[in-house]
Parts: sequence; C-alpha cells; structure tokens
Amino acid sequence: AQTVTQSQPEMSVQEAETVTLSCTYDTSESDYYLFWYKQPPSRQMILVIRQEAYKQQNATENRFSVNFQKAAKSFSLKISDSQLGDAAMYFCAYRSVRVEGAYKYIFGTGTRLKVLA
Amino acid sequence: DTGVSQDPRHKITKRGQNVTFRCDPISEHNRLYWYRQTLGQGPEFLTYFQNEAQLEKSRLLSDRFSAERPKGSFSTLEIQRTEQGDSAMYLCASSLVGLANEKLFFGSGTQLSVL
Repeated sequence: AQTVTQSQPEMSVQEAETVTLSCTYDTSESDYYLFWYKQPPSRQMILVIRQEAYKQQNATENRFSVNFQKAAKSFSLKISDSQLGDAAMYFCAYRSVRVEGAYKYIFGTGTRLKVLA
Repeated sequence: DTGVSQDPRHKITKRGQNVTFRCDPISEHNRLYWYRQTLGQGPEFLTYFQNEAQLEKSRLLSDRFSAERPKGSFSTLEIQRTEQGDSAMYLCASSLVGLANEKLFFGSGTQLSVL
C-alpha cells in the first residue's frame, strides 16, 4: 500500500523569504501523480501544484515549485517570496494511475506553515 | 462555476443521534468523493461515486455510515447512531474524469462534534 509522510509538523518563514516543505512517499508503482494541496483557515483545500511521475521536469506554478526526486521518492515544495497569505496547512498527496486505484488520493499528515511579518 | 458546496458547515449532536450532510459538486463533475479529516491528520478516503454509482467504500466506513448520490448530482452522507469517535471534519470533493489534468476540487467541509 502506498504511504505519504510529511515529517515537518510545523514550519516558519519570514515574509519574502523562501521555505521548503518536505514530503516522502512509498510505492511500488512506476507511474503516479503527486500533489501539494493548501488548506487555509477557511478549511477549503486548494490545489497548489501537480507532478506527473513520468515527467522528469519539476513542476512550477508562479512562486511555487517542486523538487521531485523519483529514485529517492521525495517530493518537496518550495515557496519563494513568501506572503502572509501563504500561511496554511500544506498536504502532500499521491494518486495512482492504475484504474483500480485512481480514485484514491492518499494524503500526508500535513505541515503547518506560519509566515512571519 | 460556483465550486463545491457543503451544508451544514458545523453540526453539533448528541451521541446516538443521526446526522446527514449534503454536498453539491461542481455541476459538470462526474466523480464525487467523501473524505474524513481529524485534527492533525490529512484527509482519509471514505467513499466515492462515479455519476450515481457508489464504486468503492473504505473499511473506515462502518455500517452506520451510508452515502447516496441520486441522479448523479448532489450527495448525502448519513451517520446513524453517532459516536464520539465520529467527531471530525467531513470533506467532499469532486472531479471531472477523463481530463489529462484531472484534479480534485474540495468543499469547505462539515465539522461534526458528537457530545
């Protein structure tokens, strides 16, 4: 069974600085999707970034980028030029591409990011 | 696109009572998920629907839990004879299957407190 591990319960970053959130996962599959979701105090989960495992190029979305290390099963999120609005819980998630597993997103336990003014 | 709506946002109930939550997905989305999230944890999969068919239920979903999605539109999640361990946030999400960049859209959740 696949697992997702986020070893940092909480992180802090100064406004305008850069922070990296860590995520590791375990799977025997060769193709899959990885995601970072943000959950602000309003509670609505929002997709931040998505990575297909078959793509070697790391995904980027504006100030958000990932460092995808497939062999190491590592998927970290880098937030550049941190803003107060980035303060939230961040969840790493895994999704299989196999038909029988494609419906199930597996989430980590989350990292609470605090942004200091 | 009005997003995924969940009602109510908060529910307080006494142990042993039945509760029902509603989820309205994004209108063209054919897949609907229910997740449960407890404090300090990530969302845990409960069940999902493809159109009106419930295709999978997690072992977390005891026989006190039932979900429906009549006509493939909104969905309801009912918990019978609630227990204190049912206290959690119940999240609904929807997606459109078949897109190359399929992604989940979440509602704001229903926070259940069982006293």
